[in-house]
Amino acid sequence: DAGVIQSPRHEVTEMGQEVTLRCKPISGHDYLFWYRQTMMRGLELLIYFNNNVPIDDSGMPEDRFSAKMPNASFSTLKIQPSEPRDSAVYFCASSLRGSANYGYTFGSGTRLTVV
Amino acid sequence: AQKITQTQPGMFVQEKEAVTLDCTYDTSDPSYGLFWYKQPSSGEMIFLIYQGSYDQQNATEGRYSLNFQKARKSANLVISASQLGDSAMYFCAMRAIKAGTALIFGKGTTLSVSS
Repeated sequence: DAGVIQSPRHEVTEMGQEVTLRCKPISGHDYLFWYRQTMMRGLELLIYFNNNVPIDDSGMPEDRFSAKMPNASFSTLKIQPSEPRDSAVYFCASSLRGSANYGYTFGSGTRLTVV
Repeated sequence: AQKITQTQPGMFVQEKEAVTLDCTYDTSDPSYGLFWYKQPSSGEMIFLIYQGSYDQQNATEGRYSLNFQKARKSANLVISASQLGDSAMYFCAMRAIKAGTALIFGKGTTLSVSS
């Protein structure tokens, strides 16, 4: 299994530009999560999906952020317009089922820098 | 509310020594899972060990063991015979059923192993 695949690995963009982060979960996993990691706030859950349906988006910071999962093998996190404070590492993770004993497999992350 | 607390921002240990990384948690859900992840300087999140709330015995995985004290709500990670490659950030995380299926993370502990 190739694991959770995120692209791009690094993204540098100018303030005001649209940024799209991509994630391919592990085949067969029915939960997908987007996290953001910063020094100040640690790892924060942004949104998660179950069977492609968004379940909890309460962690999405504001309307500039949106996430979609059009099918079981692909998800995007979009920031429009981007701001310097959005600079962070964004992780995608997937999990099989929702039971407490199922951990996550994380992607390698996308390091976003907004200048 | 669900909460994970890691009170040690940094720990220092010499090679071949054992080290304990502290983690306390708070949840009202009787069914939950506790996880430890390692994040080396390369940035990926690596799953280390899992403990279920109903497990009678402490979890072990090679040099890693989880000292689970349910009454005290603590889930400390013990690394035996530290190696230079253990230098990394370590995160304690919890996944409770009632609160949904998302992992919540502590702030992490940076472990530095010296020769």
